[in-house]
Amino acid sequence: QVQLVESGGGLVKPGGSLRLSCAASGFTFSDYYMSWIRQAPGKGLEWVSYISSSGSTIYYADSVKGRFTISRDNAKNSLYLQMNSLRAEDTAVYYCARYSSSSGETFDYWGQGTLVTVSS
Amino acid sequence: DIQMTQSPSTLSASVGDRVTITCRASQSISSWLAWYQQKPGKAPKLLIYKASSLESGVPSRFSGSGSGTEFTLTISSLQPDDFATYYCQQYNSYPQVTFGPGTKVDIK
Repeated sequence: QVQLVESGGGLVKPGGSLRLSCAASGFTFSDYYMSWIRQAPGKGLEWVSYISSSGSTIYYADSVKGRFTISRDNAKNSLYLQMNSLRAEDTAVYYCARYSSSSGETFDYWGQGTLVTVSS
Repeated sequence: DIQMTQSPSTLSASVGDRVTITCRASQSISSWLAWYQQKPGKAPKLLIYKASSLESGVPSRFSGSGSGTEFTLTISSLQPDDFATYYCQQYNSYPQVTFGPGTKVDIK
């Protein structure tokens, strides 16, 4: 079955860095576009970044552009998010999500999320 | 950027009720709209895509309609498992998608 498992979250000081990972299994990872989506505590969902199946096309939300870097390693079935210059407003649960191949450009599978807390 | 709004923000209902949630886009998104259900501490679950197509495995009491800028999610007969928060998502500007602020459905 499809599984997405995030890791790497934790407590970091403002200005610090963190690298999130998402391990994929149960499907051919290299066939799918992937995204990171975040949810601040008690708030709604915010799309963060997109990466194509090959990694050649990448997009970011304006709120993270220049600070976050998405990447993937198809040989390791893994998705990453390098987060630099972290701010308090980056505090959120970060989800990796798979773009559906049959349901249009929606997210059909999500990980359980990893919490990033930016605080001094 | 395309902005999404939802109404109401909170909805109190009883088991068996017919429930309708509205989602509006700041500009036309054709039928590029999805609905998700999220329970506390869990990831969102895809319910509806392309405004009215039911995701595989989702109960038929869920339905979606609309096009352009106004959309609705209807639960025909609310079940205990349906108390959750519902989000709409536009993907007309794929891959830079945006979500609505959510509608919490709680027990009356």
